[in-house]
Amino acid sequence: QSVLTQPPSASGTPGQRITISCSGSSSNIGSNTVNWYQQLPGTAPKLLIYSNNQRPSGVPDRFSASKSGTSASLAISGLQSEDEADYYCTTWDDSLNGHVFGGGTKLTVL
Amino acid sequence: QVQLQQWGAGLLKPSETLSLTCAVYGGSFTGYFWNWIRQSPGKGLEWIGEINHSGGTNYNPSLKSRVTMSVDTSKNQFSLRLRSVTAADTAVYYCARGPRHRYYDRTERLEHWGQGTLVTVSS
Repeated sequence: QSVLTQPPSASGTPGQRITISCSGSSSNIGSNTVNWYQQLPGTAPKLLIYSNNQRPSGVPDRFSASKSGTSASLAISGLQSEDEADYYCTTWDDSLNGHVFGGGTKLTVL
Repeated sequence: QVQLQQWGAGLLKPSETLSLTCAVYGGSFTGYFWNWIRQSPGKGLEWIGEINHSGGTNYNPSLKSRVTMSVDTSKNQFSLRLRSVTAADTAVYYCARGPRHRYYDRTERLEHWGQGTLVTVSS
């Protein structure tokens, strides 16, 4: 059971906008910034969003994220087939004194 | 361009010690935290721990009793040892680099990742 809760799956059609949620608590998301990672099949994860809503250089602006209270969400607009991947949220947990990940959301582009 | 290249034994027997090393090319060793993360087959990501250039560590509390991380700044390498492995430790292990948090002694995000090493524990 992951400390951060994500829906196990999400889906959308090309061009659509989808969101993936990440729910935590006051000791993690509620008091620390959230990062998002994209893991394409058979590859290492890649940093997609950091500090709640910042995109690293090279990440398309189709990807955006936000945080409110003890929850965060990732939005992908103009969905493309190459967006089919697993997405993970992560943050620091003050009670556990460590980084924690969500269980991951498998995005399928129909 | 920063590259992380990792290696180590891929097949272990129960009770043995897992040992992995990650070499850093093209970037500074100081000012960063050097992390290990694992992913069991078909499962999500689990953070194992991190170490900075001077040897300061943060470990996952659930693995802390079996984990040791070390750093060799002369070689730009860092290592993971996990003692007394069982089948539950079978996973792809990743090394990763992240900048130090501006306020706290931990990493802020994981910007660069190694290619991953599959470690299988089986008798």
